[in-house]
Amino acid sequence: GAGVSQSPSNKVTEKGKDVELRCDPISGHTALYWYRQSLGQGLEFLIYFQGNSAPDKSGLPSDRFSAERTGGSVSTLTIQRTQQEDSAVYLCASSLALEEHEQFFGPGTRLTVL
Amino acid sequence: GENVEQHPSTLSVQEGDSAVIKCTYSDSASNYFPWYKQELGKRPQLIIDIRSNVGEKKDQRIAVTLNKTAKHFSLHITETQPEDSAVYFCAANSGGSNYKLTFGKGTLLTVNP
Repeated sequence: GAGVSQSPSNKVTEKGKDVELRCDPISGHTALYWYRQSLGQGLEFLIYFQGNSAPDKSGLPSDRFSAERTGGSVSTLTIQRTQQEDSAVYLCASSLALEEHEQFFGPGTRLTVL
Repeated sequence: GENVEQHPSTLSVQEGDSAVIKCTYSDSASNYFPWYKQELGKRPQLIIDIRSNVGEKKDQRIAVTLNKTAKHFSLHITETQPEDSAVYFCAANSGGSNYKLTFGKGTLLTVNP
């Protein structure tokens, strides 16, 4: 079946602009996760969703970052007033449930802030 | 919170040799330790994982060992092949939770033909 998909694959924006990144999890997966991967770094946890709720937002770097998930499926990560340090690959992952550990990753969105 | 250290950052081996990547973690409540492989330009994919109730797990040429007392775990790849070349990430769950994974910074493995 289809894996996790993300759009856009690449996004170039100017400093100060807002961006929206989209994630489509695997159908039936209730848990969804957002990570950020900077050059030469590991994956930094941002936020997770169980259904539509996000019990843990502690990984979001600042209040410019927000995420939502509607209908228990698609999620969007919004970055307001982008800064150059926001440049990174943003990865989304989903798992069947929180109790199921294996997370399946999407291809990522490469964000470049000029 | 959890802190995961991974070594080495780069590793170059000859085809057919073994490769070992080591990770340490700080949270004694962690009980789930996955390893992900990320080929250049591709998404991370789970290759093997281990839970804290076992000390070793093997899947063909890949094995993972866990030492809970010392809080470290290792990935072992035997008979390496060029297609094993990739970045490998270890991870540990935080505070024993199911969902929050803390990743190491990755090891770039190059297998030379």
